[in-house]
Amino acid sequence: DVKVTQSSRYLVKRTGEKVFLECVQDMDHENMFWYRQDPGLGLRLIYFSYDVKMKEKGDIPEGYSVSREKKERFSLILESASTNQTSMYLCASTSQGAHQPQHFGDGTRLSIL
Amino acid sequence: KQEVTQIPAALSVPEGENLVLNCSFTDSAIYNLQWFRQDPGKGLTSLLLIQSSQREQTSGRLNASLDKSSGRSTLYIAASQPGDSATYLCAVRHDQKVTFGTGTKLQVIP
Repeated sequence: DVKVTQSSRYLVKRTGEKVFLECVQDMDHENMFWYRQDPGLGLRLIYFSYDVKMKEKGDIPEGYSVSREKKERFSLILESASTNQTSMYLCASTSQGAHQPQHFGDGTRLSIL
Repeated sequence: KQEVTQIPAALSVPEGENLVLNCSFTDSAIYNLQWFRQDPGKGLTSLLLIQSSQREQTSGRLNASLDKSSGRSTLYIAASQPGDSATYLCAVRHDQKVTFGTGTKLQVIP
């Protein structure tokens, strides 16, 4: 079975801090995604990556950056955390091919104080 | 821009009932549609994936159908159980992106 692991289940940070969220998958998937999930808004795509060192903006990239130095790891970076970035963050991966399903991690509940 | 809608937003049924969850999307140019389950505070668990060329998929008590031309999918749950209580999300894959609905929160009452 595919395993997508997010480094933290819960995280509390302060306004202005630089925050790193890590995601690792063990199935050699090419594609990786970062979403945030908020009540009433559903899941929104922040960034995605097709391959190592490749990244594409999603629907809400402002205030975020990403890093993919190795195929199995995709990091989401909050450059200067703000309270409106308090949310549930979900990482997903999938292999190439339009017929492949997405696999999700358990999520990181991030609170910015 | 692809938009995905799920109705109803919440549903409460007695145990043992058969039920249908609905998902509609605005752009029929999709690669596939995936149904997920999400328990409170957890990530998403994939239930069923329907390719754009398929009409339905079945897994145990779950059956998902896809009518791409009308932009609709349904998830049928037979003989519901309290353990089925969760939020159910549908997601459509188009281009390199996936667009999610906002989900239907299901409660199955013992």
